[in-house]
Amino acid sequence: EVQLVESGGGLVQPGGSLRLSCSASGFTFSSYAMHWVRQAPGKGLEYVSAISSNGGSTYYADSVKGRFTISRDNSKNTLYLQMSSLRAEDTAVYYCVKELLRIAVAGYLDYWGQGTLVTVSS
Amino acid sequence: DIQMTQSPSSVSASVGDRVTITCRASQGISSWLAWYQQKPGKAPKLLIYAASSLQSGVPSRFSGSGSGTDFTLTISSLQPEDFATYYCQQANSFPPRAFGQGTRLEIK
Repeated sequence: EVQLVESGGGLVQPGGSLRLSCSASGFTFSSYAMHWVRQAPGKGLEYVSAISSNGGSTYYADSVKGRFTISRDNSKNTLYLQMSSLRAEDTAVYYCVKELLRIAVAGYLDYWGQGTLVTVSS
Repeated sequence: DIQMTQSPSSVSASVGDRVTITCRASQGISSWLAWYQQKPGKAPKLLIYAASSLQSGVPSRFSGSGSGTDFTLTISSLQPEDFATYYCQQANSFPPRAFGQGTRLEIK
C-alpha cells in the first residue's frame, strides 16, 4: 500500500523558513517523480513544485521560484521542500504527491499524503 | 502560462442524475488533462488522466472526454458519495501544472 506521510508544518513568522518532509513507502520511490501541491484554507489547489525520479530536474511555480527548493533522498525514500522568505500567502496545507507515470514528470498525481499545515503569521 | 477555467463553479443535482463539468484551457494542451475529486477535509483523488483514461479503482460512471482546449467530466448516474468538489488540471507544460478553480457538486 502506497503511503505518503508529510511532516514539518507549523506556525512561522513572515520572512522565516521551514522544511517539509515526506516519507514514502509501498512503492519504488526512486522510480517516480514527486510533487508538492498546496491548498490555502477554503481555496482551490495550487501546484507548487516537482522533482524527477533521480532528482536531476526540478520545476517550480512562479509564485515560489527562488524561495522554495525541492529535493529528495532516494536512499531514505524521502521528499523535501525547503521554504524560505515565507509570506502570509504561503499559508496552506501542503500535500506530498506521487506521480502516476513511472520515470516521467507528467504531472498526473495518483497518491496524495494527508497534508501538513503551514501557517505564516506574526 | 496556461490557464484552466471550469464551469460551472457549482452545480446542484440529485442522486441518479447525469452531470457534466467542463474545463477549458487557454491554449491547446492535446490530451494532457486530469480530473480530481476532493471531499471536505480530505486529499484529492485522481479520477481521470490523459483526458479520458479511467484511473484504477474509479467507478465506470465517471468518464472524461475532449482534446485541445475543451474537456468534459461526466458522471453518468450520481451516487451519494459523488458529492464533492472536482478539479481539472493541465499536464502539458511546466510551469505550472495549473488547476482549474474547482466545481462544487451539491445535493439538490
